Amino acid sequence: EAQVTQNPRYLITVTGKKLTVTCSQNMNHEYMSWYRQDPGLGLRQIYYSMNVEVTDKGDVPEGYKVSRKEKRNFPLILESPSPNQTSLYFCASSSGPVIGQPQHFGDGTRLSIL
Amino acid sequence: AQSVSQHNHHVILSEAASLELGCNYSYGGTVNLFWYVQYPGQHLQLLLKYFSGDPLVKGIKGFEAEFIKSKFSFNLRKPSVQWSDTAEYFCAVNAGSARQLTFGSGTQLTVLP
Repeated sequence: EAQVTQNPRYLITVTGKKLTVTCSQNMNHEYMSWYRQDPGLGLRQIYYSMNVEVTDKGDVPEGYKVSRKEKRNFPLILESPSPNQTSLYFCASSSGPVIGQPQHFGDGTRLSIL
Repeated sequence: AQSVSQHNHHVILSEAASLELGCNYSYGGTVNLFWYVQYPGQHLQLLLKYFSGDPLVKGIKGFEAEFIKSKFSFNLRKPSVQWSDTAEYFCAVNAGSARQLTFGSGTQLTVLP
């Protein structure tokens, strides 16, 4: 079954404690992306990756890092989480060519930073 | 930069009522347009998409959308809503050679039985 898998689904942690949210897709997609969803703001893109070792900033990259060492994985790293990063996070992937292809979303990760 | 506006934040309808959700984008060139739906507690799913050709696009579950280039709009419609259509709806645009998909802020649709 084609899917995008995120882990963990829920996490409560404290300010400053590094965390990683994993994302894996089994569709051999080239393009992967991270979004955060906040009430009244819709989805905002954090980072995206066109392919292995190719990543770029989205609209709200501050406080986040990503890596793309393998095609299937695209982890999101919060080196020093802060309360304003409390949000619902979605990973997504799509096939090439990137432009215009619909994205497949994971089930989301709800992060609470205390 | 591309941007998307959804002016209706919350829409409440009775079953069998007709639906139209507004979506306007700001970009003067070629665009690819999408509507996604997010049911409670679930991830986003694609409802329909427009790349080119017929400006009236039909999607899943009886939804359709019309691309009106002169109005920079891509409104979502459904002639008769059901209780199961209760969800949040997002319009999204990919403009020109942009490598990003920009989402609107979403419209929460509540259908009363």
